[in-house]
Amino acid sequence: DTGVSQDPRHKITKRGQNVTFRCDPISEHNRLYWYRQTLGQGPEFLTYFQNEAQLEKSRLLSDRFSAERPKGSFSTLEIQRTEQGDSAMYLCASRKRQDRLLSSGNTIYFGEGSWLTVV
Amino acid sequence: DQQVKQNSPSLSVQEGRISILNCDYTNSMFDYFLWYKKYPAEGPTFLISISSIKDKNEDGRFTVFLNKSAKHLSLHIVPSQPGDSAVYFCAASDGSSNTGKLIFGQGTTLQVKP
Repeated sequence: DTGVSQDPRHKITKRGQNVTFRCDPISEHNRLYWYRQTLGQGPEFLTYFQNEAQLEKSRLLSDRFSAERPKGSFSTLEIQRTEQGDSAMYLCASRKRQDRLLSSGNTIYFGEGSWLTVV
Repeated sequence: DQQVKQNSPSLSVQEGRISILNCDYTNSMFDYFLWYKKYPAEGPTFLISISSIKDKNEDGRFTVFLNKSAKHLSLHIVPSQPGDSAVYFCAASDGSSNTGKLIFGQGTTLQVKP
C-alpha cells in the first residue's frame, strides 16, 4: 500500500494527557498537511510542511499543539494537556511538488485519519 | 468567514437518477477546485477536480461544472448508485499563495436509495 498512512487510527485519552499521532506520506510527496475534522464540518487546515520545513500554521493550532517532520519524511502531531474540545479526527495528507503545467499536481491525498476522543 | 459553502447538508436520490451537489465560494483568488468523497471513520478520497481555466471536467459518471462569474461549482453523478452514498466535500485552493492548502466546505451527505 503506497497511500498515506496514519497511526494510531483511534485514541481515547483522559483530559490532561499528551497524545502523539504519526503520519507517513506517499513516498515521493514533498508536501505534508495536517487537518482536523469535527462532526458536521469539513476538514480544517492546521499546518503544512515542505520537506522538513514547517511553512504555515493555522490560528487553530494553539501552543498545546506541535508538529514536526524531522527528516522530511514522516511527521508527528503532538497535543499536550488534551482538552475535551480536542476530540476530533486528525487527518494527514500529502502532495507532490507543485507542477503548474499539470493541474493534477495540485491534488492532495488523505490518510485514513486518527480519531481522538478526550474523556 | 466561510470561504467555501455547501448549503445543502443532505440530498436523497433514487438509484439510477442524477445527483447534483452544489458548492459556492467567495474568494476570487481560488483557481483550483476539488471534490472529495468520505465514508464514516475514513479519510476523504479524491474524486475529481477542475482548474479555473476550464468550465467542465468529466470522469466516468462524475462531472464537475465551474461557473466562475457566479463563483459556483457543482458535481453531477449520473447514474447514481447506492455505493455513492457518502459525504461529499468540495474544496478550493489559491494557487497564488503557493501553499497548496485546501479550504473545504461543510459537506453534503448523499443518500442513494435502491
